[in-house]
Amino acid sequence: GQSLEQPSEVTAVEGAIVQINCTYQTSGFYGLSWYQQHDGGAPTFLSYNGLDGLEETGRFSSFLSRSDSYGYLLLQELQMKDSASYFCAGQNQAGTALIFGKGTTLSVSS
Amino acid sequence: NAGVTQTPKFQVLKTGQSMTLQCAQDMNHEYMSWYRQDPGMGLRLIHYSVGAGITDQGEVPNGYNVSRSTTEDFPLRLLSAAPSQTSVYFCASSLGLAGNTGELFFGEGSRLTVL
Repeated sequence: GQSLEQPSEVTAVEGAIVQINCTYQTSGFYGLSWYQQHDGGAPTFLSYNGLDGLEETGRFSSFLSRSDSYGYLLLQELQMKDSASYFCAGQNQAGTALIFGKGTTLSVSS
Repeated sequence: NAGVTQTPKFQVLKTGQSMTLQCAQDMNHEYMSWYRQDPGMGLRLIHYSVGAGITDQGEVPNGYNVSRSTTEDFPLRLLSAAPSQTSVYFCASSLGLAGNTGELFFGEGSRLTVL
């Protein structure tokens, strides 16, 4: 089976940096994805790590360590609009389905 | 391009009624899937399809049926609605899944209430 664990809530202030961790258990692994979802909206793809290391996309970065079964999403220069839920996701053993963590709600205050 | 289109956006059912949630994509994606989202539970996979004529069960398939007669369409059927099926349903598609970027394109969701 596969499961992904992430904190349920994170709070931060504008301009700060926040890291959302994701640990996973899986017997097969193709990579870790991150999604953002605003209230009432659809999830949107942020990033993907297929190999160990850091991937950077503007203010957002994502990291993967396969040996530690661990990844994180790093959000820099936080803005109010970054208040949303963030989900990590990984493929199942057969590579035929994307399984999501329960999500982390990020609240950014001024 | 419309992307992934779901209908209806809102629906209220009575217990025992049946209905179909429609999902269509115009990106020629082989892979399509249905998720339900409940507070505190994240996105849970109901059914998925890796191509026309092929479907498989996800994490929470009970009470739902799917079919994939065309590449574009992937309807989700509730056979006999129960209050436990009150949820927001998302359809998602991608070109492929295994070994690729893990990027799914989601529809806007269908909000279902079962009384």
